[in-house]
Amino acid sequence: QKEVEQNSGPLSVPEGAIASLNCTYSDRGSQSFFWYRQYSGKSPELIMSIYSNGDKEDGRFTAQLNKASQYVSLLIRDSQPSDSATYLCAVKNTGTASKLTFGTGTRLQVTL
Amino acid sequence: DGGITQSPKYLFRKEGQNVTLSCEQNLNHDAMYWYRQDPGQGLRLIYYSQIVNDFQKGDIAEGYSVSREKKESFPLTVTSAQKNPTAFYLCASSIVQDPRGYTFGSGTRLTVV
Repeated sequence: QKEVEQNSGPLSVPEGAIASLNCTYSDRGSQSFFWYRQYSGKSPELIMSIYSNGDKEDGRFTAQLNKASQYVSLLIRDSQPSDSATYLCAVKNTGTASKLTFGTGTRLQVTL
Repeated sequence: DGGITQSPKYLFRKEGQNVTLSCEQNLNHDAMYWYRQDPGQGLRLIYYSQIVNDFQKGDIAEGYSVSREKKESFPLTVTSAQKNPTAFYLCASSIVQDPRGYTFGSGTRLTVV
């Protein structure tokens, strides 16, 4: 069983719509959750982090965490063509190490 | 400006050859990591280090080796034992026990010729 699961997509949304990206994880004791955006051929860049249940908003991005359901999501409002990228969900597992486990990523396509 | 520098950006390896990928950071981060990314796949952990002169294997360490002689540097050697090394290699760093995420380098694309 994969530790962090994402739908690979592609997820296609029209410009201006809301894009909803989902991620589930298996380690119930996980404490920290991250969303990275990765453009083709580039390294990932951190766009959101969330540590407690509920919603966290930053501009057009909202991260949602539900630890009971082991589920974390990313909403992108007013999607723009520049949002077209692969979005990686990452989880910091329990234990003393600071390493992250990544999902396979969801490719988002924002169409004109 | 602080950051992580990976070099080279592109690297070509012949069959049976060892190659070393460089990763240097000036962020004063204790922890450093190497990940491998194959097309359409997520990041898989190769090795990580949380302190100088100490490192641990990740999920796919076979065919790779690392060293951590200085806090700033964490080079990765892809040995001839790694039979399918063609991939995008990413180095990252972080503060140990800091809940914030990683800072990534710009990556090295390795191709076997």
